Amino acid sequence: QVQLVQSGAEVKTPGASVKVSCEASGYTFTTYGISWVRQAPGQGLEWMGWISAYNGNTNYAQKLQGRVTMTTDTSTSTAYMELRSLRSDDTAVYYCARVLNPATSSFGVPTRAYWLDPWGQGTLVTVSS
Amino acid sequence: EIVMTQSPATLSVSPGERATLSCRASQSVSSNLAWYQQKPGQAPRLLIYGASTRATGIPARFSGSGSGTEFTLTISSLQSEDYAVYYCQQYIKWPGTFGQGTKVEIK
Repeated sequence: QVQLVQSGAEVKTPGASVKVSCEASGYTFTTYGISWVRQAPGQGLEWMGWISAYNGNTNYAQKLQGRVTMTTDTSTSTAYMELRSLRSDDTAVYYCARVLNPATSSFGVPTRAYWLDPWGQGTLVTVSS
Repeated sequence: EIVMTQSPATLSVSPGERATLSCRASQSVSSNLAWYQQKPGQAPRLLIYGASTRATGIPARFSGSGSGTEFTLTISSLQSEDYAVYYCQQYIKWPGTFGQGTKVEIK
């Protein structure tokens, strides 16, 4: 079955970086993309960004631009999300989710989105001094 | 950005009763709407996409309806495992935006 398995919980100090992995199985990795969504304690879902596993194209949430990098390793069917300069308000559960790759405009911006299915089990990242 | 508004924030329903959850979009999303279920300590799970198509393995007691700006998720007869938070998501416009969620609790 299609499955995404994420790396384990992390505790980081403010200013540090974290890299979360998401290993896919049960489908051809390069025919989909991976979106990352985070959820602060007791809060709703916040979309962070997307990467195409086909060609590595990315698109990030504006508020995270400059601090987040999403990559893939097609040899291991694994996606990665790195977040730098961590702050206390980055404390959240981070999820990866499979998504269809959208068509993009001539500027490389996706023209639409798709539903997310399935989701990884989540990775708790705690930022605390 | 398309803003998704869910109501009510909390819905108290007795086991076996019907639950009706609403989701409103700030502009038309046609049928490009998904519903997710999230239980405590778990990841969200896709229930419905295309406003009314059940995802694989989702029981028939879950149904979605609506188009344009008004959408409904109906759980026909609540089971114990259905008590959870439900999110809607529009995906007609990048990057796709979520509602704030409706918590379905035991009455």
